[in-house]
Amino acid sequence: AQSVAQPEDQVNVAEGNPLTVKCTYSVSGNPYLFWYVQYPNRGLQFLLKYITGDNLVKGSYGFEAEFNKSQTSFHLKKPSALVSDSALYFCAVRDKTGFQKLVFGTGTRLLVSP
Amino acid sequence: DVKVTQSSRYLVKRTGEKVFLECVQDMDHENMFWYRQDPGLGLRLIYFSYDVKMKEKGDIPEGYSVSREKKERFSLILESASTNQTSMYLCASSPTADTQYFGPGTRLTVL
Repeated sequence: AQSVAQPEDQVNVAEGNPLTVKCTYSVSGNPYLFWYVQYPNRGLQFLLKYITGDNLVKGSYGFEAEFNKSQTSFHLKKPSALVSDSALYFCAVRDKTGFQKLVFGTGTRLLVSP
Repeated sequence: DVKVTQSSRYLVKRTGEKVFLECVQDMDHENMFWYRQDPGLGLRLIYFSYDVKMKEKGDIPEGYSVSREKKERFSLILESASTNQTSMYLCASSPTADTQYFGPGTRLTVL
């Protein structure tokens, strides 16, 4: 079965510093990977996705993610964090068995301090 | 912009009550989904639908049912609410299987 793991419950970073939120995946074949963000009291919003092509994917709000096949990782990154980036981040993979639904990770809370 | 609305932001019900959670999307999407979100467990898929009157069980369908009579509306039903169904419920719609658009969520408390 397809799955993703987010090893960190919480990531703390100071404003202006680079941030990384980690995600590893377990899939058969080529993965379709996604990042979503949930701001307080809001639903999830799509950030970016990797289907094929360039290993560095750029998304909304200045975020990017690097696909690494050898390490089975898809880490979310941003060169300079903002306080407003504080939110809950979810990694997801498309389940290719049957109907192609998404399988989400457990989420990582990002706290950016001023 | 895609808009997914959910009937209530907060809901408090008693054990044994029948509960209806409504979700409406305005983008003519084929696919709709119901998730529950719990701390430490992430999002878990309850049911999904890929067409009117079609429904498929997700990972945790027990204790829930769904209805999709019109393309824009997908309802989640708790036949007899229990305290372990206290959770945040998120609805989503999608034109394909990947990019999903989420509603704001309904925080349900069952007493």
